Amino acid sequence: GAGVSQSPSNKVTEKGKDVELRCDPISGHTALYWYRQSLGQGLEFLIYFQGNSAPDKSGLPSDRFSAERTGGSVSTLTIQRTQQEDSAVYLCASSSPSRDEQYFGPGTRLTVT
Amino acid sequence: GENVEQHPSTLSVQEGDSAVIKCTYSDSASNYFPWYKQELGKGPQLIIDIRSNVGEKKDQRIAVTLNKTAKHFSLHITETQPEDSAVYFCAAILFSGGYQKVTFGTGTKLQVIP
Repeated sequence: GAGVSQSPSNKVTEKGKDVELRCDPISGHTALYWYRQSLGQGLEFLIYFQGNSAPDKSGLPSDRFSAERTGGSVSTLTIQRTQQEDSAVYLCASSSPSRDEQYFGPGTRLTVT
Repeated sequence: GENVEQHPSTLSVQEGDSAVIKCTYSDSASNYFPWYKQELGKGPQLIIDIRSNVGEKKDQRIAVTLNKTAKHFSLHITETQPEDSAVYFCAAILFSGGYQKVTFGTGTKLQVIP
């Protein structure tokens, strides 16, 4: 079946502009995660949604970052007033209620100029 | 919070040799340890995982071992092939009552030399 999809695949924006990144999880997966991966670095946890529970936002680096998940499916990560240090690949993953493993999307490469 | 250290950061092996990547974690409550392979321009893909009630798991050329007492786990790839070249990430995850906390290692770039 279809995997996790993310859009856009690439985004170039000017410093100070807002951006929205989208994640479509695998159908039926109740958990959704956002990570940030800077060049040559590991995965930095940002936020975690599990069903209807309040999201775990403990990884968001500043109040410029926010995320929502509508209808328990699609999620949008919003970065306001982008800065050059926000440049990275943003990865989304989802997992099912019955299994632990996370399935990752291909990521969105964000470049802030 | 959890801290995961991964070594080495880069690893070069000759085709056919074995490769071993090690991770240590700090939170003894972590109970799930997956390994991911990330090829250039793609998202990470799960290759093998182990739970805290198991000491070793093997899947063809890939195996993972877990030492809960020492709080470390390792990925072993035998008979390496050029297509094994990628970045490998470990993770330590705490699952508890519907809540989870995920911490990834910093990655190991594996190069298999033909």
